[in-house]
Amino acid sequence: DIQMTQSPSSLSASVGDRLTITCRASQSISNFLNWYQQKPGKAPKLLIYAASSLQSGVPSRFSGSGSGTDFTLTISSLQPEDFATYYCQQSYSTLTFGPGTKVEIK
Amino acid sequence: EVQLVESGGGLVQPGGSLRLSCAASGFTFSSYWMHWVRQAPGKGLAWVSRFNSDGSSISYADSVKGRFTISRDNLKNTLYLQMNSLRAEDTAVYYCVRGIQYGSKYFDYWGQGTLVTVSS
Repeated sequence: DIQMTQSPSSLSASVGDRLTITCRASQSISNFLNWYQQKPGKAPKLLIYAASSLQSGVPSRFSGSGSGTDFTLTISSLQPEDFATYYCQQSYSTLTFGPGTKVEIK
Repeated sequence: EVQLVESGGGLVQPGGSLRLSCAASGFTFSSYWMHWVRQAPGKGLAWVSRFNSDGSSISYADSVKGRFTISRDNLKNTLYLQMNSLRAEDTAVYYCVRGIQYGSKYFDYWGQGTLVTVSS
């Protein structure tokens, strides 16, 4: 199976900050990379698919980039509702998720 | 409005069985691949199983192969997960998820989840 890693595993940030989360695959996955947001006690929510396509209804402050093995999720200006855990997921082969990045309030 | 509503979770002893159901509405169920994804308490997400739209292809994670069986009833718009020989490590919230299979495959709608606890 393809292994996914994320960095950092957690971070503290303030409202208005620009945030970048990195996801790395153990082998090339082209652009078969998706990002999800999960809040405590809730189901995950799709943010970005195909590495850089914004899911309908998701605010434009979220963006994704990358291809091959290295990917990033960027939040241009962090809002109070963005404090959550973010997961990357590869869909190139047997579906696997990254371990998550928890974004907390500073 | 797309809705996925799981049921059937609960407390079961190691070695026991449980059947999860997922009632789908708001879309043409028979046209979509459907998946189960689980999340152990305080842990990350793990894909469990999937069933393609026309019923011709099923796949399982190695961790559940031979113990879990996914099925679907396209007339009842319902997805199932039969879980046998349950282990403590199967304890998790189980999510029913709709999959998009064209282009980059991804999960666009998730149910609220149902908790399965395996403990004596």
